Amino acid sequence: SQTIHQWPATLVQPVGSPLSLECTVEGTSNPNLYWYRQAAGRGLQLLFYSVGIGQISSEVPQNLSASRPQDRQFILSSKKLLLSDSGFYLCAWSGGGFQPQHFGDGTRLSIL
Amino acid sequence: TQLLEQSPQFLSIQEGENLTVYCNSSSVFSSLQWYRQEPGEGPVLLVTVVTGGEVKKLKRLTFQFGDARKDSSLHITAAQPGDTGLYLCAGVHSGNTPLVFGKGTRLSVIA
Repeated sequence: SQTIHQWPATLVQPVGSPLSLECTVEGTSNPNLYWYRQAAGRGLQLLFYSVGIGQISSEVPQNLSASRPQDRQFILSSKKLLLSDSGFYLCAWSGGGFQPQHFGDGTRLSIL
Repeated sequence: TQLLEQSPQFLSIQEGENLTVYCNSSSVFSSLQWYRQEPGEGPVLLVTVVTGGEVKKLKRLTFQFGDARKDSSLHITAAQPGDTGLYLCAGVHSGNTPLVFGKGTRLSVIA
């Protein structure tokens, strides 16, 4: 069966520090991969999605970037975090088309 | 950006009551999905509807896709405290386009 792993679960970082969140999927090949940010208990804001290795689509201009170095690995990065980057970050995968998305357990990021 | 509007944003009811949550858009979706999310976790898929007018039942939950495929509703019968959570609808337009999510309805069922 397919599983998705996202880490760390929580992270506290100072303003101006770098960021690297990692997400990996097991049990499937060539998944579509997604990064979302969620404000306090509200809807999901799509940040990046990828339909293949090295293919990244950005939905929202910001100081974040994403990379997909391997088929089932998706990384969210920043060179310098801002206070406004605080939030709950979710990684998800899908089989493409109209198939549903399967989410990781999220990373709670707090910027001090 | 084609938006999905969910209503109500917040809902607090007593155990045993019925409720309906709505998801509306001005654009047509090829399919629509409902997710439930609990605090500190990722959303979990409840159902996918793909045909206009389709009705799907999941125990006490009934999902309906509008005839024009622009809206959907979720009806919960005899709500229980375990139904508490954030309910999100999400629509797909076509192919590999990403899901469009509504902002969610936060449901609290009080025992």
